[in-house]
Amino acid sequence: QSALTQPASVSGSPGQSITISCTGTTSDVGRYNFVCWYQHHPGKPPKLIIYEDTKRPSGVPTRFSGSKSGNTASLTISGLQAEDEADYYCWSYAGFSTWVFGGGTKLTVL
Amino acid sequence: QLQLQESGPGLVKPSETLSLSCTVSGGFISSSYYWGWIRQPPGKGLEWIASINYDGAAYYNPSLESRVTMSVDTSKNQFSLKLSSVTAADTAVHYCARHTNSQIDYWGQGTLVTVSS
Repeated sequence: QSALTQPASVSGSPGQSITISCTGTTSDVGRYNFVCWYQHHPGKPPKLIIYEDTKRPSGVPTRFSGSKSGNTASLTISGLQAEDEADYYCWSYAGFSTWVFGGGTKLTVL
Repeated sequence: QLQLQESGPGLVKPSETLSLSCTVSGGFISSSYYWGWIRQPPGKGLEWIASINYDGAAYYNPSLESRVTMSVDTSKNQFSLKLSSVTAADTAVHYCARHTNSQIDYWGQGTLVTVSS
């Protein structure tokens, strides 16, 4: 079971859009519609922002969106805001009651 | 509102066993969910360690399986983690959490466990 692959870092200016990719395999991301995304600020527990590939929990701004194609899931943040600066992790069901995280992506808002 | 709270020693010696408990309040450990542990070493990413069902069926990260044991005590509304033969590489913030196949919806605040002599 290998960690899902995410870029180590991405950056964007306020108001811009960024996309973070999360690449897995046909055994996890590509097999199940169970990818979710977490926003993690240091010292706090992670916050769920996308679940089941594309769904947004209540209270999460609409500028956060998820998508998936094949073995790669993506998180897009539109209209970047300063408070979006955080680490972002994808998480996927990997079958047989096991789960796997992505390596994490540090988002810097310039 | 469901709350999860980790407890256990913050310092463990190398080669010994790390033991943590998670107490659930505001709800009950139930069959509809998994109850799990996730860790984050300093400066590194999140790693799923293990999860358990209310009936005690446990599932482990293959990379840690030989050293991990989870248990659940529904009478105390608690579940626990034991990680044996720890090294400095096991130093991490440990989170307990409630999840399904598709999402982790509740997290504890996290507790730092340092492995050092």
